[in-house]
Amino acid sequence: AQSVTQLGSHVSVSEGALVLLRCNYSSSVPPYLFWYVQYPNQGLQLLLKYTTGATLVKGINGFEAEFKKSETSFHLTKPSAHMSDAAEYFCAVRNTGGGNKLTFGTGTQLKVEL
Amino acid sequence: GVTQSPTHLIKTRGQQVTLRCSSQSGHNTVSWYQQALGQGPQFIFQYYREEENGRGNFPPRFSGLQFPNDSSELNVNALELDDSALYLCASSLKLAGGRGDTQYFGPGTRLTVL
Repeated sequence: AQSVTQLGSHVSVSEGALVLLRCNYSSSVPPYLFWYVQYPNQGLQLLLKYTTGATLVKGINGFEAEFKKSETSFHLTKPSAHMSDAAEYFCAVRNTGGGNKLTFGTGTQLKVEL
Repeated sequence: GVTQSPTHLIKTRGQQVTLRCSSQSGHNTVSWYQQALGQGPQFIFQYYREEENGRGNFPPRFSGLQFPNDSSELNVNALELDDSALYLCASSLKLAGGRGDTQYFGPGTRLTVL
């Protein structure tokens, strides 16, 4: 069985500060990992994904994430927060061994303050 | 992109509901997720080339259909109060061996059961 844990249901940062949203995964096989963002009353938008290859993945809107197998982590970062980054962020894992079910974490609500 | 209808829906307990999704052109797989308030999305089931291709921990009163014209349906019978949630569909292109299929989400249908 695969799962993800997002540490911190709410994160608050100042505009211009570093954003760090944490995600740890559990998977018995090499995982595919994803970060999605959800703005209020909207669906999920893909920010970035890790499948194979380079462990540092760059996504949209200046976000990036690093796959660390030794730490079973896939934390999301952005060097400088913008007010428009305020949203809910979901980490998800998919089993590479077939089947396409995404297993999501419980989400982290990011608040950006002036 | 992926579209869903209706945007909002109000039903009463015991009724039946049909939610619709239009996949991204060329995608052969559609997945449905239930997102309760304050939670991450939970996988309901997936359809690949009009056949069910995996199911989450949901009772049989949740059923689906996928049509050849990039459209699909989620049907829920005997609605319960706990079925109140945002229902998301996601389309993807399943490649040989199940690789590489990133899921792209629609905006969701907000179902309220009274």
